[in-house]
Amino acid sequence: EAGVTQFPSHSVIEKGQTVTLRCDPISGHDNLYWYRRVMGKEIKFLLHFVKESKQDESGMPNNRFLAERTGGTYSTLKVQPAELEDSGVYFCASSLGWAWNEQFFGPGTRLTVL
Amino acid sequence: AQKVTQAQTEISVVEKEDVTLDCVYETRDTTYYLFWYKQPPSGELVFLIRRNSFDEQNEISGRYSWNFQKSTSSFNFTITASQVVDSAVYFCALSETNTGFQKLVFGTGTRLLVSP
Repeated sequence: EAGVTQFPSHSVIEKGQTVTLRCDPISGHDNLYWYRRVMGKEIKFLLHFVKESKQDESGMPNNRFLAERTGGTYSTLKVQPAELEDSGVYFCASSLGWAWNEQFFGPGTRLTVL
Repeated sequence: AQKVTQAQTEISVVEKEDVTLDCVYETRDTTYYLFWYKQPPSGELVFLIRRNSFDEQNEISGRYSWNFQKSTSSFNFTITASQVVDSAVYFCALSETNTGFQKLVFGTGTRLLVSP
């Protein structure tokens, strides 16, 4: 069974540009999460989808971040326009229906904004 | 507010030594879950264990063991006879009732370096 995949693995962009990160969850997982780790700090929750619906987006930093989950399958996280402080590793995770189930994480996308 | 503290930023040991990674948490909930994840050099977080707040039994899985103590709000992780393959960053995390257990709150991680 394929795990959570994320694309790209690395992205280097200039301040003010737009970047779109993609996450493909494990097939059949209704829950999809985005997290971010800024260098040396804790991994922070960004948002949670149940199928195609946003269940909790309390961790989204500001309106420069837009997450979508088309048809309840893959998800994209767009940053527009990117700022220096957006640099970090963006993780995607998915889990089965029960809330306390383990979340399976992808390898992350390392975003560097210059 | 919920918080997870991993005070050890980096630990270096020699192979076959035992090592304990500390995790202290804060929560107002009586029902919560605690987790440990391992992040090897490949980058993904690998689930190691989940423990709910009503189960204070210690857990052992091979060379890994976990000590959950509600009295001290700690959930420590011990690796016995460490191996080079244990080198990774280890994260402790918490999920609570008030978020439907969906949102994981992580500590800053402890980097473990095991040298031959």
